Amino acid sequence: DSGVTQTPKHLITATGQRVTLRCSPRSGDLSVYWYQQSLDQGLQFLIQYYNGEERAKGNILERFSAQQFPDLHSELNLSSLELGDSALYFCASNNGGQGLNEQFFGPGTRLTVL
Amino acid sequence: DQQVKQNSPSLSVQEGRISILNCDYTNSMFDYFLWYKKYPAEGPTFLISISSIKDKNEDGRFTVFLNKSAKHLSLHIVPSQPGDSAVYFCAARDYNQGGKLIFGQGTELSVKP
Repeated sequence: DSGVTQTPKHLITATGQRVTLRCSPRSGDLSVYWYQQSLDQGLQFLIQYYNGEERAKGNILERFSAQQFPDLHSELNLSSLELGDSALYFCASNNGGQGLNEQFFGPGTRLTVL
Repeated sequence: DQQVKQNSPSLSVQEGRISILNCDYTNSMFDYFLWYKKYPAEGPTFLISISSIKDKNEDGRFTVFLNKSAKHLSLHIVPSQPGDSAVYFCAARDYNQGGKLIFGQGTELSVKP
C-alpha cells in the first residue's frame, strides 16, 4: 500500500459526458502528479501540482483540467469525453523537494467511455 | 517524441537465471533514472533508482547500470524469481521540468519456474 488513494476504482460513462477523478496523496506529500496510461502505452504525464499551485504541464488536453485543494487532495476533471479517453489514470505523490524522491503511485482509476 | 524507450515489449527468463531489462533515452538533462514494477490492477511500485552522476546502484537482487555516453540504462535481476513476473517501466526525471517522470512503454517480464 503506497498510501496514495484514488477514487473511484472504475468508471464507465458515455461520450460527451464529464467525470471527476479524485486523489489523496500520502500524508505529508505536497506534490501530486497525474498520469494517463492508454492501452499498450507507457504512462504519459498530464500535470503536476505542488502545494496548491500548478507546477508542470504535460500533454494534457484542453478538455482536461485539474486542481489541488488546501487539504492537498487533487481532482482531475475530464469533459466532453471521447472514446479515446478510455484509459487508466494514475495519481502519484511525493514531497516535491530537491534531490531524488520517488513518486508513490495510487492504484489508478480505470475509465471506460462507451 | 519518445524520450525514453524500452524496445523489448516482453522478456521470458527461467527461474534462477539473470533478467536484463534495457532502456534508452535521448535527453541529456535527465538527472535521475528510476525503475518501477507494475502488477495488473495495481499502480506502479518504485523499485530502484540511479543518479546521473553514478554508473551503478545495487539493492539486493536488483542492480541498475547507467551508461551516460550511450544514453542507456539496464536493470539486472539476479536470481530471477517467479514473483518478479510483472511489467517493468523505466522512467527518467528532468528536475528543470518540475520533477515529472517520463516513462518508457514498459517490458513485461515472465519468470518461468
